[in-house]
Amino acid sequence: DTEVTQTPKHLVMGMTNKKSLKCEQHMGHRAMYWYKQKAKKPPELMFVYSYEKLSINESVPSRFSPECPNSSLLNLHLHALQPEDSALYLCASSLDPSSGNTIYFGEGSWLTVV
Amino acid sequence: DQQVKQNSPSLSVQEGRISILNCDYTNSMFDYFLWYKKYPAEGPTFLISISSIKDKNEDGRFTVFLNKSAKHLSLHIVPSQPGDSAVYFCAVTGTASKLTFGTGTRLQVTL
Repeated sequence: DTEVTQTPKHLVMGMTNKKSLKCEQHMGHRAMYWYKQKAKKPPELMFVYSYEKLSINESVPSRFSPECPNSSLLNLHLHALQPEDSALYLCASSLDPSSGNTIYFGEGSWLTVV
Repeated sequence: DQQVKQNSPSLSVQEGRISILNCDYTNSMFDYFLWYKKYPAEGPTFLISISSIKDKNEDGRFTVFLNKSAKHLSLHIVPSQPGDSAVYFCAVTGTASKLTFGTGTRLQVTL
């Protein structure tokens, strides 16, 4: 089983709203990731959590706030987003953060900011 | 500065023939290489990987070749099937847990 589950699949939010994207995996993976993908572009790394601690923040604006409540869950809190933040947000996980481990992706959450 | 490039944005192959997708990278510190398949508005699906200590890895119809001296990897799909039509991304990791994706190649397998 290599399943990473993301909810919601689609989200429309206004620029003043506060919403959250959720991600869950039950593979015992200790590294979890958020990626962002715009149309016709490759996915780009946003955050890495290693053993429930934030280890990499790729200079992401503070209107995106990640949270890792436990080893199975990863959230991305959204506040005061801009229309250009509309994209596919991908959660992923791997056994641990070292190189050589396959990273498995969820189906993604399609975010539209209006 | 694009560290991972897939120079062919699209490729069309007839069903039953071989599909060859190519990927070039610039950083010799990358040591783990993966291929993902992606449909629109879905997450990437892992296909096959190879570590830098190998030059070939095979899984069913999929074979990945790594040429470290040329900093080049390729994915061979034999025989190609219509269900293989998708966008294919190569991806690389180095010492950190950062997966860097290539620019993608759209494969169309025709009947």
